[in-house]
Amino acid sequence: GAVVSQHPSRVICKSGTSVKIECRSLDFQATTMFWYRQFPKQSLMLMATSNEGSKATYEQGVEKDKFLINHASLTLSTLTVTSAHPEDSSFYICSARNGKGHEQYFGPGTRLTVT
Amino acid sequence: GESVGLHLPTLSVQEGDNSIINCAYSNSASDYFIWYKQESGKGPQFIIDIRSNMDKRQGQRVTVLLNKTVKHLSLQIAATQPGDSAVYFCAENPGGYNKLIFGAGTRLAVHP
Repeated sequence: GAVVSQHPSRVICKSGTSVKIECRSLDFQATTMFWYRQFPKQSLMLMATSNEGSKATYEQGVEKDKFLINHASLTLSTLTVTSAHPEDSSFYICSARNGKGHEQYFGPGTRLTVT
Repeated sequence: GESVGLHLPTLSVQEGDNSIINCAYSNSASDYFIWYKQESGKGPQFIIDIRSNMDKRQGQRVTVLLNKTVKHLSLQIAATQPGDSAVYFCAENPGGYNKLIFGAGTRLAVHP
């Protein structure tokens, strides 16, 4: 149980375009989902926390207009990187909580490359 | 800001030996800690967790020790196997915020 999926696993886009990443909890309802970014050989940095049906809470330094987060249902959250630039190239990972504890279940990640 | 840090960026061990990965945290209000394993190109995988009201917790081949006095966390892996090779992260929940702050990570390399 507690499986989280992400789609796509890899995406390449051109500079200036937008790309959407989906995060789904497959066998549980996720009251809260988190989005992280991880650059090579670095740790996971929390970008934002999203609760179903409400606006996401962004961490300091993360542009909310550039990284649009939508948590429309208890099983789906999306992250849209708008007007992507090469410096946005990174590994984006989502996680989900089922509301019963602190544990977060992580997705497999999405490798974004902006050319 | 407050952060979780690690003493060792890399750790090389022989297969069969025990491994100890250390982590220092700075937020005294943190009440929950987790160790994750991350293999290349994959998301973090839960290993073991511990609450601040405990000093030690054991799982299968893994033990987490928490020393609140010096704000130190460690992960012990018994009889390390090649499949244990990965990057290990500690993470803390800074008291009531339901979010995790990750440490820098330690790469564990297991040699046959």
